[in-house]
Amino acid sequence: DQQVKQNSPSLSVQEGRISILNCDYTNSMFDYFLWYKKYPAEGPTFLISISSIKDKNEDGRFTVFLNKSAKHLSLHIVPSQPGDSAVYFCAASEDTGNQFYFGTGTSLTVIP
Amino acid sequence: KAGVTQTPRYLIKTRGQQVTLSCSPISGHRSVSWYQQTPGQGLQFLFEYFSETQRNKGNFPGRFSGRQFSNSRSEMNVSTLELGDSALYLCASSLDGTEFDTIYFGEGSWLTVV
Repeated sequence: DQQVKQNSPSLSVQEGRISILNCDYTNSMFDYFLWYKKYPAEGPTFLISISSIKDKNEDGRFTVFLNKSAKHLSLHIVPSQPGDSAVYFCAASEDTGNQFYFGTGTSLTVIP
Repeated sequence: KAGVTQTPRYLIKTRGQQVTLSCSPISGHRSVSWYQQTPGQGLQFLFEYFSETQRNKGNFPGRFSGRQFSNSRSEMNVSTLELGDSALYLCASSLDGTEFDTIYFGEGSWLTVV
């Protein structure tokens, strides 16, 4: 059973606009969340993280929001750039080391 | 510094055979974990090794096994290959796998079972 879900397999956004990628989880014990970006033929690369003690974390154009009561997190990219076109995975873990649970990914296309 | 290195990058095996994949973590990293990526299931956790000991294990059958050496390099083995084992196998390393430790992925090993 998928404990982390990304219900939108794909998303297209115009360059300069905001991209919002969503992620839902079912396990209330998850307390650390990550977003990874993946280009074809490459391994995922770390983008941004958030722990359950926060509800927002910002890094440049990327902001992650966490709503613990709704078990929902989202990644906002503002402004979106063509180089942001990639597959984005959200991941979650309890305090058990490296056992992360990943969503199935959302393919973002930023249209110039 | 050098990243996570996985070998081989691509391989084709026949159903029933076995395969061994190798992962060299970032220098100084002691935690190595393995993931399987398939189109339908996304990234799924296989197992994690820390200081030569398996610390966590995902929900995969016993055909999937691994080990870690004293230099932190890790191997994973899949025996009696099935068609459904065709996937991208990703290795990730981190310093010590603590809760807020960032994990870094290799480029993966593409396994095709025919």
